[in-house]
Amino acid sequence: GAVVSQHPSRVICKSGTSVKIECRSLDFQATTMFWYRQFPKQSLMLMATSNEGSKATYEQGVEKDKFLINHASLTLSTLTVTSAHPEDSSFYICSAGGTGADTQYFGPGTRLTVL
Amino acid sequence: KQEVTQIPAALSVPEGENLVLNCSFTDSAIYNLQWFRQDPGKGLTSLLLIQSSQREQTSGRLNASLDKSSGRSTLYIAASQPGDSATYLCAVWYGNKLVFGAGTILRVKS
Repeated sequence: GAVVSQHPSRVICKSGTSVKIECRSLDFQATTMFWYRQFPKQSLMLMATSNEGSKATYEQGVEKDKFLINHASLTLSTLTVTSAHPEDSSFYICSAGGTGADTQYFGPGTRLTVL
Repeated sequence: KQEVTQIPAALSVPEGENLVLNCSFTDSAIYNLQWFRQDPGKGLTSLLLIQSSQREQTSGRLNASLDKSSGRSTLYIAASQPGDSATYLCAVWYGNKLVFGAGTILRVKS
């Protein structure tokens, strides 16, 4: 089956620093990748949809200048949390779109803790 | 606004019990509905996908139903096992976007 990886799995950083999270589709090409955020005991919230070679589409309330998304190839999308603050601490999950509109393959997630 | 609600938020049952998890959605113009399992600190595992034209899907001890008109879905787990302990997420497809519920945390006691 399709495999999506994320790196790193955990990251702890100081407030004010930037953190980059990678999402890779290992055995298929993904034109579209999605980034979600999940706070404790809450649902996954879609942050943005990233299409290879074009600008990401951000959901309402998500700051595009704070959460920079790059999807430069069909197998890699990156999310950079700029000037991270403690309230950005969360579980970030990416998914990669399959051939069908109703298919997304999820990565294992990245736990970000901002001190 | 497209919202997905799951009830109960948490559930604890003894091993062997049959159980039902509930999901409701506000916008009935869905494309598909999907149930996932999430283990602590992990990503998502897809359990069942029900297309909007279907009423139910089955996989092993799992059965998911869909009633679009009432905006509801249920996930039935038969003969629960301790290994079923996890968070179960209901997600509704609107086009190529997924809207998730907050999940039901299930604990099956041995």
